[in-house]
This record gives sequence, C-alpha cells and structure tokens, in this order.
Amino acid sequence: KQEVTQIPAALSVPEGENLVLNCSFTDSAIYNLQWFRQDPGKGLTSLLLIQSSQREQTSGRLNASLDKSSGRSTLYIAASQPGDSATYLCAVREGSGGSNYKLTFGKGTLLTVNP
Amino acid sequence: DTGVSQDPRHKITKRGQNVTFRCDPISEHNRLYWYRQTLGQGPEFLTYFQNEAQLEKSRLLSDRFSAERPKGSFSTLEIQRTEQGDSAMYLCASSSRLADYEQYFGPGTRLTVT
Repeated sequence: KQEVTQIPAALSVPEGENLVLNCSFTDSAIYNLQWFRQDPGKGLTSLLLIQSSQREQTSGRLNASLDKSSGRSTLYIAASQPGDSATYLCAVREGSGGSNYKLTFGKGTLLTVNP
Repeated sequence: DTGVSQDPRHKITKRGQNVTFRCDPISEHNRLYWYRQTLGQGPEFLTYFQNEAQLEKSRLLSDRFSAERPKGSFSTLEIQRTEQGDSAMYLCASSSRLADYEQYFGPGTRLTVT
C-alpha cells in the first residue's frame, strides 16, 4: 500500500526566506506526483505536476523536484511571502502505465510566513 | 464553466439525519472523484466514476454512503444516518483524457454532524 509522508508537519519562517518542503513515498511505481496548496477551509489548488520521467518543474517562485528511485520530492519556495501561508499537500498517482487514477496524499505541511 | 463546483459549501446536521451533496464537474470531464478530508489529514479517496459508471469504491465508503452520477454529468453523494465520525470536508474532483486525467478539485463541502 502506498504511503506518503510529508516533513515537516508545520513550518514558520520570516518573510523573504527560501524554504524547502519534503515529501516521501513508499512505492516508486508512480505515474506522477503533484503538489497542491490548500487555504483554511478551502479546496485544493494545483501548484505543480511532475511526470515520473521528469526531474523537476518550475512555476514562478516554486520549484519541485522528483527522485523517483529514492521515493522523494521537494518543493522549493523562493523569497517567501505572507500570502504563501497555507497547507501544502503532496500527492502521488500510482501506476506506471497511467491507467490508475487514485491520488494518495500526505498529511501536508502547514506553512506560516511572518511579515 | 471555470471549474468544479460543489453545493452546499457548508452543512450542519444532527446525528441520524440524511444529507446529500452535489458536485458539478468541469464540462467535458468524463471522470469524477470523491475524496474525504478530516482535520489535520490529507484527502482520502472514496469513489470514482467514469461517465455514469461507478468503477471503484474505497473501503472507507460504508453501506451508509451512496454516490451516483446520472447521465455522466453532475454527481451526488448521500450519507444516510449520519454519525459524528462523518464530520469532514468532502472534496470532488474531475479529470479528462485530454489533460492526461489531471484532477481538478472543487471547493469542498464541509459537513458537521452534531
């Protein structure tokens, strides 16, 4: 059974700091990995999706990397801002052929960026 | 149609009552998913539809839960005889083959059972 773990569970940083969120998964046979953002009481917003054949994806101040063989992904946030405060969730879609559909999520990292 | 919509956004009910939630997927998305998220946890898969066919149900989906997707458009999730343990955020997502089945999530329905 796939298990996804996110470390740390919570992180508080001053504005402007660069930071890294970690995600690990137990079964490396994944189709892709996705990072989401969730604001309190809200739904999920997709930030970055990395296919299993890719090593990283970038969007603005966000960079996500994937090391499939070791079962790890990181989300790097540059020059953090108070508006980045949210819970960040990592999810994997299993199946090497893409026929699977279910996402398995970690518990998330609660990020607070202090002004 | 700019995204997945869910109704209601919030529902408070007394234990033992039945509740029904609705999800409207992005137009032309043929796959629809339901997830449940409890406080401090990540979302957990409940069930999945391809068009109108319900293809998988998680063991989390007890006999009190039923989901439908008539005509392959909107979907409903009904919980009968609600229990306090049913309190959670219920998230709906949809996807399309054209986008390699990347899932797009709705805002969720927050259920509180008192």
